[in-house]
Amino acid sequence: DAGITQSPRHKVTETGTPVTLRCHQTENHRYMYWYRQDPGHGLRLIHYSYGVKDTDKGEVSDGYSVSRSKTEDFLLTLESATSSQTSVYFCAISDPGQVSYEQYFGPGTRLTVT
Amino acid sequence: DAKTTQPNSMESNEEEPVHLPCNHSTISGTDYIHWYRQLPSQGPEYVIHGLTSNVNNRMASLAIAEDRKSSTLILHRATLRDAAVYYCILRDRSSGSARQLTFGSGTQLTVLP
Repeated sequence: DAGITQSPRHKVTETGTPVTLRCHQTENHRYMYWYRQDPGHGLRLIHYSYGVKDTDKGEVSDGYSVSRSKTEDFLLTLESATSSQTSVYFCAISDPGQVSYEQYFGPGTRLTVT
Repeated sequence: DAKTTQPNSMESNEEEPVHLPCNHSTISGTDYIHWYRQLPSQGPEYVIHGLTSNVNNRMASLAIAEDRKSSTLILHRATLRDAAVYYCILRDRSSGSARQLTFGSGTQLTVLP
């Protein structure tokens, strides 16, 4: 299994509070991604990073920011959490050297905003 | 991105083969066909991918139609552990590894003992 951990694994927070989710990898992969998954939807990309300090927006980036100061860590921040951000968040990694371009996913973080 | 169409759900008996279909009639010449699966309460995992030719790996086989407008993921002997949502995804090979994967709703596979 690819070495990807996410923390916390579960979090309950109140509307309006800031929340930071962490993704940590030990694979030295260049690319990292944050997705969210909601009932009735497949995974949707929030933000991704193609290197340290290089990030870009995905399909559903409003209300989220990211930072990547080290290869191994990719942080997702909800500046002011809303109930619509209640979801399961998955981090993924990939490496341009892989022929298959496969993405490896972390175990997920279940976030509940009350 | 080109769209894929999969059945919402399928059932299979344990130890029997399973054929999971995917239609992608608007596929372009630069699209790879990728399959991922998501076991309950886990993140998705890569299963297999192909471009034009049929592909085999330790997990599954991928059969691609000659016109590439459809493909079939084949699990040769389903086990209870194969119960998952299976996603068929098209990925533009010219975009590099950073391009997102666009997940549809997938096929929920139920394996009956």
